[in-house]
Amino acid sequence: DTAVSQTPKYLVTQMGNDKSIKCEQNLGHDTMYWYKQDSKKFLKIMFSYNNKELIINETVPNRFSPKSPDKAHLNLHINSLELGDSAVYFCASSLAALNYEQYFGPGTRLTVT
Amino acid sequence: GQQLNQSPQSMFIQEGEDVSMNCTSSSIFNTWLWYKQDPGEGPVLLIALYKAGELTSNGRLTAQFGITRKDSFLNISASIPSDVGIYFCAGENQAGTALIFGKGTTLSVSS
Repeated sequence: DTAVSQTPKYLVTQMGNDKSIKCEQNLGHDTMYWYKQDSKKFLKIMFSYNNKELIINETVPNRFSPKSPDKAHLNLHINSLELGDSAVYFCASSLAALNYEQYFGPGTRLTVT
Repeated sequence: GQQLNQSPQSMFIQEGEDVSMNCTSSSIFNTWLWYKQDPGEGPVLLIALYKAGELTSNGRLTAQFGITRKDSFLNISASIPSDVGIYFCAGENQAGTALIFGKGTTLSVSS
């Protein structure tokens, strides 16, 4: 059983489109995260949710909107996609908000053309 | 802002060699973690350190939390081809709400 899963694995789309990435964890964790990894492999936190509530929103354009229907799911919706959004997006989870042992999903490679 | 500086940026070694990489910062951290990322996969937690001076092993991996709380190192002994990947250090941000990652050390192992 996969602990943290993301769909899709690959996403190729055109500028201006709207797309969503889904994330699910079956670890019973309370906290979930979205990270962006750029072409130089730099990992940066975007959002964090604890028990369905937003606790971190780093300086991310408001075209990015996370949604957590329940504590096992954290989806990322991106409006009006731009070339610079091309990256690998990772979902992660941890037991609690102040528990730093985070478990990552396999990533979604987003390519905007 | 807080930054983690990892070195070296990349390493090319022979199978069987020992490897050492480190992570430094001008800021104090209360937690240091080491992750490994295989190509096309997400980072996987290797070792978590919570106390200054702490030395922790996980198989052939050993990591230490520096006494000053501003650095950590990771050693890999007797490297094997499957050790190939990117190794990231991470620490908690000042608010304690998220992890900050270093830029990674890319390890290549030739057999």
